[in-house]
Amino acid sequence: NAGVMQNPRHLVRRRGQEARLRCSPMKGHSHVYWYRQLPEEGLKFMVYLQKENIIDESGMPKERFSAEFPKEGPSILRIQQVVRGDSAAYFCASSPGTKVYQPQHFGDGTRLSIL
Amino acid sequence: AQTVTQSQPEMSVQEAETVTLSCTYDTSESNYYLFWYKQPPSRQMILVIRQEAYKQQNATENRFSVNFQKAAKSFSLKISDSQLGDTAMYFCAYGTGNQFYFGTGTSLTVIP
Repeated sequence: NAGVMQNPRHLVRRRGQEARLRCSPMKGHSHVYWYRQLPEEGLKFMVYLQKENIIDESGMPKERFSAEFPKEGPSILRIQQVVRGDSAAYFCASSPGTKVYQPQHFGDGTRLSIL
Repeated sequence: AQTVTQSQPEMSVQEAETVTLSCTYDTSESNYYLFWYKQPPSRQMILVIRQEAYKQQNATENRFSVNFQKAAKSFSLKISDSQLGDTAMYFCAYGTGNQFYFGTGTSLTVIP
């Protein structure tokens, strides 16, 4: 049973470009979470999605950031007009449901570097 | 507001010795779970152990065990017989509803 798959592992963009990060949850998991980890810091919640629905986006910056989890295909975290401060590791996690005891399983992350 | 505090940014331990990583949290919720995640240099996030808040018995997973003090809102991780492969960042996390809150991590180095 494959784990949470994120791609690419590393992404380099120039300021002003768009970054697209992909996440395929574990088989049987319908809940996806995105986190951002800045250097030397812990993970900060960004957004929680179920298929075709954004459930909680309280951690998402108001501008330039968006997320989706379509009926078919992976979840996408999209960052438009990237800036240096967007450089971070972005982790995706999935879980089978919303029960509080169900741990989230993490992907290996995407390291985004902005030149 | 829920917060998770890890007051030890860095720790080290001799191989085969025991080390305890501390974590405290703040919440007004009654139903929640606590987790320890390990992030080795490869930067994967690996679940180490979890604790249900309503259970008084401390969780144990092989060499890893927790000391859960609900009244004190404390959730420490004990690693026994430390191995070189335990070298990693360790994050304490609190989960309630559909959100997880992470501490800032403790960097553990196991010394040969």
